[in-house]
Amino acid sequence: DTGVSQDPRHKITKRGQNVTFRCDPISEHNRLYWYRQTLGQGPEFLTYFQNEAQLEKSRLLSDRFSAERPKGSFSTLEIQRTEQGDSAMYLCASSPLTGNTEAFFGQGTRLTVV
Amino acid sequence: QQQVKQSPQSLIVQKGGISIINCAYENTAFDYFPWYQQFPGKGPALLIAIRPDVSEKKEGRFTISFNKSAKQFSLHIMDSQPGDSATYFCAASRGYDMRFGAGTRLTVKP
Repeated sequence: DTGVSQDPRHKITKRGQNVTFRCDPISEHNRLYWYRQTLGQGPEFLTYFQNEAQLEKSRLLSDRFSAERPKGSFSTLEIQRTEQGDSAMYLCASSPLTGNTEAFFGQGTRLTVV
Repeated sequence: QQQVKQSPQSLIVQKGGISIINCAYENTAFDYFPWYQQFPGKGPALLIAIRPDVSEKKEGRFTISFNKSAKQFSLHIMDSQPGDSATYFCAASRGYDMRFGAGTRLTVKP
């Protein structure tokens, strides 16, 4: 399977715990995105990487959230001191660098904070 | 701020009918307008996309109509099938900046 892979698919955590999600993009894609999706809503942009550089981060993103993409390959999204409001589907997508082209999404990580 | 407004929120169509979903955008800098289909528990998958230099694009049963002056675009699903039942999202983008509508849950009744 050469699509975008996300791990884990589901995560249940207690409030206050830290969680980390991983995304493996399509190998030749330079662009990598993280989105958050809550029930009944469209994906909401969180952050964008071009290769290893984090070029954009949503102003809505709390400082409890941090993302990395070492070596421009896989990416991780960490949420510290989770809150119930963090419960959502976290989606990763990747696309080639050239022009406006299709963003391929992974299947997401469903986070539930109890 | 919601840069892409999508309607209706939900839609029920009989098998064989036409499903129509509408979107409007605000930022005239957007230059790529994709539609994504999402099934429960899955990530969104690109269905069809259009650039503003054309007014219509058709791929099989799916057609995008684009009105640049009105800043509106719509998805038409012809001969709707129960397998089309999913949530559909419109989006507008420029470069890496992609904004999504809130989604339309489509149910096609057999």
